[in-house]
Parts: sequence; C-alpha cells; structure tokens
Amino acid sequence: AQTVTQSQPEMSVQEAETVTLSCTYDTSESDYYLFWYKQPPSRQMILVIRQEAYKQQNATENRFSVNFQKAAKSFSLKISDSQLGDAAMYFCAYRSALETGNQFYFGTGTSLTVIP
Amino acid sequence: DTEVTQTPKHLVMGMTNKKSLKCEQHMGHRAMYWYKQKAKKPPELMFVYSYEKLSINESVPSRFSPECPNSSLLNLHLHALQPEDSALYLCASSQSLHSNQPQHFGDGTRLSIL
Repeated sequence: AQTVTQSQPEMSVQEAETVTLSCTYDTSESDYYLFWYKQPPSRQMILVIRQEAYKQQNATENRFSVNFQKAAKSFSLKISDSQLGDAAMYFCAYRSALETGNQFYFGTGTSLTVIP
Repeated sequence: DTEVTQTPKHLVMGMTNKKSLKCEQHMGHRAMYWYKQKAKKPPELMFVYSYEKLSINESVPSRFSPECPNSSLLNLHLHALQPEDSALYLCASSQSLHSNQPQHFGDGTRLSIL
C-alpha cells in the first residue's frame, strides 16, 4: 500500500497571507494522481485541486496552487490571499493509475486556522 | 449545495437496533463509495460499487451491509453495531472507477452508538 504523510497536524495563517501545506508520499509507481481535499466543519469533503503525475506543470485553481516535485515525491499546497472560509482540515490523497477500484490513500490531514 | 445527498444527517442508535443510511446522487455517476471517518482522522474506505455491483469490500465486519438498488442510490444497513462504530459515515461518487476521476462527497451521517 502507498503511504501519504502530512507532517503538519496544525497550521495557522493570517487573513490575506499565504500558507503552504506539505505532503509527501511513497510509491514505486510512475503513473498516479494526487489530490488535495478540504473538509470544513460542515463535514463535506471538497476537492480543491488535482495533479496528474505525468504532467510537469503544477496545477492551479484560483488562489490554490501546488508545488509538485515528482523526484522528491512531494506535493505541497499553497493558498494565497487566505480567507476565513479557507479554515478547514486539508487532506492530501494519492491514487494509483494502475489499480482498479479507485482506492484513495489519504494523509492524516492538516488543520488550518485562519486568523482575522 | 452538495450533489451527493446523505440521510439522515445524525443518527443515534442502540447496539441492538437495525437502521439504514442512505446516499443518493443524480450526476449519472456509476461508482459509489462508503467511507468511515473518526474525529481528526482521514476517511477509511469501506465499500466500492461499480455499475451497481460490489467491487471492493475492505474487510468490513458483517454488521455493516451495503446495498446498491440502482445507479443513483447506495444504502448501508446497520445491525448490532458496537460503540467503536460511532463515526462520521461519508458517501462519495465518481463517474467511473478510473483513477483520474475525482470523488464527490456528501455531508456525511454522524452515527452514535449507545
């Protein structure tokens, strides 16, 4: 099984500032997908951003961007211009392109607090 | 508004009760999932359905019984649960089992076993 590590259980950021959440993973595969999900207190898991391993270009979605370093097996999430609504638990997830069944391997999560 | 609807939002039940959790999606997705999530932990996969057929059972105890009556509905039947089964139960769906398809999650059912 793959392992996904989020080494920051908790992070905080001042409103309007930038914060980076780290994620590393362990795999011997060359083709896979990486995701960041956000889970606010409302409980719903919301897809933030997705990266295909075969793409060198880092994914970007508005204020959210990733720094994907394939050789280092690192997939960090950068949130720019942080807003109060960004406060949530953030999960990094790995999915093999080879396995059937769409198994997600989740990290343990990072709880982000946004300070007004 | 979530596109995956789960009912009920909260459920309290005794260990001898029988209850069911319901999940519904109308996005035309053909893969549906049940996850269990404990507080401050990531979701743990329980079951995967593809085209209404059980694709994956992650060694879940038989007191949890999934059912997929049609492509839009996924149920989780509960019987003789234990206190450690108290958790948030999340349903998700995706277009297919293909790896690049994101999963869309519901708001979950908060289950408490007395």
